[in-house]
Amino acid sequence: ILNVEQSPQSLHVQEGDSTNFTCSFPSSNFYALHWYRWETAKSPEALFVMTLNGDEKKKGRISATLNTKEGYSYLYIKGSQPEDSATYLCAHRHGGSQGNLIFGKGTKLSVKP
Amino acid sequence: EAQVTQNPRYLITVTGKKLTVTCSQNMNHEYMSWYRQDPGLGLRQIYYSMNVEVTDKGDVPEGYKVSRKEKRNFPLILESPSPNQTSLYFCASSLSLWQPQHFGDGTRLSIL
Repeated sequence: ILNVEQSPQSLHVQEGDSTNFTCSFPSSNFYALHWYRWETAKSPEALFVMTLNGDEKKKGRISATLNTKEGYSYLYIKGSQPEDSATYLCAHRHGGSQGNLIFGKGTKLSVKP
Repeated sequence: EAQVTQNPRYLITVTGKKLTVTCSQNMNHEYMSWYRQDPGLGLRQIYYSMNVEVTDKGDVPEGYKVSRKEKRNFPLILESPSPNQTSLYFCASSLSLWQPQHFGDGTRLSIL
């Protein structure tokens, strides 16, 4: 199994704070990197799929960057709101087994009003 | 409405009694996948299918079977369930490997 690591495991911020998390994955034979948002008692919802080194994607106050050469992706949330509270998952597809999607354990974000 | 539908949503059963969790998508997606979610372990892929009649093992396939006879359906079969298969299961689908996955609502299985 090609491990995907996410840090931190959990994060507590105040409303209005900006925050970021890291996803690390094997840098060799990269295929794609996914980000998902998972609220308690719901199912994961897709945020981004990133495939090219240097990719930057944005959705409202959430953005992500990708560095395939060094094997990491950052997810940024600008001006966190209580409704941003969720677990943020990244998942990696390796070129050697493209159908196989390996998830990290997630970063759990809590935003206090 | 575009969706991935899993059934049942909840099931309590006993060791050794064969069960099937159904998954159906109405988006004409090529790729479908099954995951289990366990505390502290995150989402782990059980099986996936790139197209009809094409299935492959994920990271934790032991004790499970799948089939993909039609594009829309991807059932997960537990031939002889055991307590270590008690978990929350998700089915997901996507148009291709480059597209985001759409997840079903999950199936919580308890095997006594």
